[in-house]
Amino acid sequence: DADVTQTPRNRITKTGKRIMLECSQTKGHDRMYWYRQDPGLGLRLIYYSFDVKDINKGEISDGYSVSRQAQAKFSLSLESAIPNQTALYFCATSDPGQGRSEQFFGPGTRLTVL
Amino acid sequence: AQKVTQAQTEISVVEKEDVTLDCVYETRDTTYYLFWYKQPPSGELVFLIRRNSFDEQNEISGRYSWNFQKSTSSFNFTITASQVVDSAVYFCALSPYTGANSKLTFGKGITLSVRP
Repeated sequence: DADVTQTPRNRITKTGKRIMLECSQTKGHDRMYWYRQDPGLGLRLIYYSFDVKDINKGEISDGYSVSRQAQAKFSLSLESAIPNQTALYFCATSDPGQGRSEQFFGPGTRLTVL
Repeated sequence: AQKVTQAQTEISVVEKEDVTLDCVYETRDTTYYLFWYKQPPSGELVFLIRRNSFDEQNEISGRYSWNFQKSTSSFNFTITASQVVDSAVYFCALSPYTGANSKLTFGKGITLSVRP
């Protein structure tokens, strides 16, 4: 089974709808992240969480919110989806122990907002 | 502020050619990590390598090799004898070394196409 899972994998929705993307991990990592990927722009950080009580904005947090329900779960919400939020969304985890900082990514959620 | 520049956007080679993907970075940190990730057509992100800033030894893993040069702030990735399965988008990324702040800054990616 995959260590980092995302649901749904694909979602088509309409402008103005509320959408939640979910991420779960079995790696036991404290740190979790949400990114979006747009063609030609690479990955940009939306929100990150270093533990259950810690939530931080990334570089493009406007229009998004997150919830860290447990160490293993980190959800991303679009309160009122708009077309320019159409993108590929990735969840990631990391474990800073022993000086390691690589992040492990989920399979991605492709979101289309019509 | 951190920045990663991947000036090449698309590269196309014929199978068995060698290809080098360039990565140049900017950071004010004295210690940091550099990474390469691969994103095949299926879309997932695959971690390839982590290199810390105080280890300038080049690394080779099979057909892959990485050349880290701190003096020019570059961390280039070479694929020797490329194969069709190497076709993917490759991202270079940078993060501070200290565990308290492990955010990654990504480059925009290089799309590599390997033709049979």
